[in-house]
Amino acid sequence: AQKITQTQPGMFVQEKEAVTLDCTYDTSDQSYGLFWYKQPSSGEMIFLIYQGSYDEQNATEGRYSLNFQKARKSANLVISASQLGDSAMYFCAMREFGQGAQKLVFGQGTRLTINP
Amino acid sequence: DVKVTQSSRYLVKRTGEKVFLECVQDMDHENMFWYRQDPGLGLRLIYFSYDVKMKEKGDIPEGYSVSREKKERFSLILESASTNQTSMYLCASSLAGFGSPLHFGNGTRLTVT
Repeated sequence: AQKITQTQPGMFVQEKEAVTLDCTYDTSDQSYGLFWYKQPSSGEMIFLIYQGSYDEQNATEGRYSLNFQKARKSANLVISASQLGDSAMYFCAMREFGQGAQKLVFGQGTRLTINP
Repeated sequence: DVKVTQSSRYLVKRTGEKVFLECVQDMDHENMFWYRQDPGLGLRLIYFSYDVKMKEKGDIPEGYSVSREKKERFSLILESASTNQTSMYLCASSLAGFGSPLHFGNGTRLTVT
């Protein structure tokens, strides 16, 4: 069963607009962590933001924020005031507590294109 | 800054060859990982290691093995390469903490002909 689902294969957004990238996850654990990564065309994987399942506040890092809705099992990434350099693949990932706790499971990714 | 170095950026091998992909990290991280990335499938975990000489299977270990003899080095081995192993291979490392992010190398694009 797919643990991380990103339903938007591609998104096109005008520069300076805000954009929300969807991520839903499936787990029966109470303790887990959610991560977002950016992969530009150069191929490097860049860590953006982390949210722990017990964190009461939504995580924020600069222009990135994570809209964490635990009951709905969603962890959407919000990018405010998008820039041309935000064009990239974006991956949501989850780490579950328990056996194999160190591994990170990724979604299929969303390709974001920012138009000038 | 953490540096994760993969020995080759591009590699072309023939079917049936034994292939070694090497990965070295310089930040004394406990955990190391090998993923493969294919379009539409995201990143899929092949193997990971949480300590020297320790290894755990990921989601797609078939056709692969790994070796971790030293803490900083994690090798992925394709015992007998096949064309369906043509892919981008990404190595990563992290600290042991639950919230610790993975730091990735630049990837090795392997083509098996």
